[in-house]
Amino acid sequence: DQQVKQNSPSLSVQEGRISILNCDYTNSMFDYFLWYKKYPAEGPTFLISISSIKDKNEDGRFTVFLNKSAKHLSLHIVPSQPGDSAVYFCAARGRGADGLTFGKGTHLIIQP
Amino acid sequence: DVKVTQSSRYLVKRTGEKVFLECVQDMDHENMFWYRQDPGLGLRLIYFSYDVKMKEKGDIPEGYSVSREKKERFSLILESASTNQTSMYLCASSSSEYYGYTFGSGTRLTVV
Repeated sequence: DQQVKQNSPSLSVQEGRISILNCDYTNSMFDYFLWYKKYPAEGPTFLISISSIKDKNEDGRFTVFLNKSAKHLSLHIVPSQPGDSAVYFCAARGRGADGLTFGKGTHLIIQP
Repeated sequence: DVKVTQSSRYLVKRTGEKVFLECVQDMDHENMFWYRQDPGLGLRLIYFSYDVKMKEKGDIPEGYSVSREKKERFSLILESASTNQTSMYLCASSSSEYYGYTFGSGTRLTVV
């Protein structure tokens, strides 16, 4: 049973517009969430994270929103740039656990 | 800067061969992980280790084994490579103080 779900395998957005990537989770024990970005033939790199005690975290063009009651988080990228084209993984960590649970990823394509 | 180094970027092996994938991290992290990434399946955990000589099975350990003789090195072993083990293999490490992972660049393994 998938505990972290990214229901959109791919997303196409025009350059300069906002990209919104969504992630849902089922485990209420998750207390920390992260987003990773992955280019082809490279390892994932950390992008941004949020603790469950917050509902928003911002870093430059990237903002992550957390809605605990809906068990939903989203990553907003604004404005979207060609270099943002990559696969984005949502990940979650449970209280007392050391490992991360990953979603299946969303392939973001930024069109010129 | 934390660095996780995987010994090979690309590898081609024959069916039935024993394959070693090496991973080294330089930040004294306690935890190390091996994942494989396949299209549409996301990141799947093969094995992980919380300490030297300790190992735990992940979600898909069949056909794999691991070795952690030193804290900085975590090896993934394919006992008898098969074509369904053709994949991108990713090593990651983390410390107990920080929730995120640092990933290596990945090894693209092709079994023919």
